[in-house]
Amino acid sequence: DQQVKQNSPSLSVQEGRISILNCDYTNSMFDYFLWYKKYPAEGPTFLISISSIKDKNEDGRFTVFLNKSAKHLSLHIVPSQPGDSAVYFCAASARNSGGYQKVTFGTGTKLQVIP
Amino acid sequence: NAGVTQTPKFRVLKTGQSMTLLCAQDMNHEYMYWYRQDPGMGLRLIHYSVGEGTTAKGEVPDGYNVSRLKKQNFLLGLESAAPSQTSVYFCASTIIPRLTEAFFGQGTRLTVV
Repeated sequence: DQQVKQNSPSLSVQEGRISILNCDYTNSMFDYFLWYKKYPAEGPTFLISISSIKDKNEDGRFTVFLNKSAKHLSLHIVPSQPGDSAVYFCAASARNSGGYQKVTFGTGTKLQVIP
Repeated sequence: NAGVTQTPKFRVLKTGQSMTLLCAQDMNHEYMYWYRQDPGMGLRLIHYSVGEGTTAKGEVPDGYNVSRLKKQNFLLGLESAAPSQTSVYFCASTIIPRLTEAFFGQGTRLTVV
């Protein structure tokens, strides 16, 4: 039961254009959403997050949009740069009975930015 | 990610062998986690710890044990390795009980033959 889905395993974008990475979720209890970036042979690094009370969060070239009614999350990268080439994981969290924020990860989308 | 160090980076085990993966963080974080990453599966939580001396099960705890005897170290043990445990293992730590701005180690690639 994949509660967080990234249906596009890969995406290729020209340098300078917009990259849009999508994520869908099924659990309405998720209240916080995160994007992580991962380069080969490295651990994931936190990129940007958004609370369920917001519909947009921006940080430089990265913007995350949340559509709660559609249970859909997207990450926009503008403009895309070759250094953005990496695997991007969407993640969602919900508080469990012990107060811990259980995080569920998507399967990842490999972004390639072509110079 | 100099703050979280995993040892070893690679390991090949025979079925039935045991081993311990070490995660060390120098950021004084309370929360530490062990994840495994498998193709087409994303990252799945094995065990986590909310502080020194405490551990809890995650999504896929079977076949693994953990210990957090010191705040800076989180050990993941495989008592009797199975081919299904072939994976890349990531340790992470956070200062708050949320994976926002979590620091991950560089990963341990384990192959069980």
